[in-house]
Amino acid sequence: QSALTQPPSASGSPGQSVTISCTGTSSDVGQYLQVSWYQQHPGKAPNLLIYEVNKRPSGVPDRFSGSKSGNTASLTVSGLQAEDEADYYCSSYAGTNIVLFGGGTKLTVL
Amino acid sequence: EVQLVESGGGLVQPGRSLRLSCEASGFIFENHAMHWVRQAPGKGLEWVSGISWNSYSVGYADSVQGRFSISRDNAKSSLYLQMNGLRPEDTALYFCIRDVSRYGSGSLHVWGKGTTVTVSS
Repeated sequence: QSALTQPPSASGSPGQSVTISCTGTSSDVGQYLQVSWYQQHPGKAPNLLIYEVNKRPSGVPDRFSGSKSGNTASLTVSGLQAEDEADYYCSSYAGTNIVLFGGGTKLTVL
Repeated sequence: EVQLVESGGGLVQPGRSLRLSCEASGFIFENHAMHWVRQAPGKGLEWVSGISWNSYSVGYADSVQGRFSISRDNAKSSLYLQMNGLRPEDTALYFCIRDVSRYGSGSLHVWGKGTTVTVSS
């Protein structure tokens, strides 16, 4: 079980778009559609943003979108807002009730 | 309101045991797989363990395999994590989470607020 790879940081100005990558292997991200993204503000529990690559739970703005190509998944945040500044984590199902997380990306809104 | 409330955390010496509990309310517990995820102070998220709705399928992170045991009681809408042989590196905030599906998709939808485990002599 190896963690998924995310860039440690990302940034953008208000109104811009930013994309965060999440790289795994053919045994996790590349094999399964169960790729998710979470947002975590300091001192709070994480919040599910995207599941099954590109589905949004009720209440999540459509500014957040997900995609996947091969072993790499991506989260795009469009129309950046100050409240989007947070830590973002990806996860992937890896078979037999195993889940892997990425190391997290700190998004800064400039 | 859908709610997950963890309990059972605390300060424990290395090598000792602790049992975490998670009480669910506001939804049909047996319709969902459940997970435990932990976060060490200042660190990222680490998936610990997951269990299907009927307990037939369970999984563990390599870091806890053989030491931790997950279980659930659908009649009590409760999830448990038995932690044995605790190590200082197990120190973390432990979250209880509801999966989107019954079988364990890894889509961790609803999170509790967590319970803190500190392993130190």
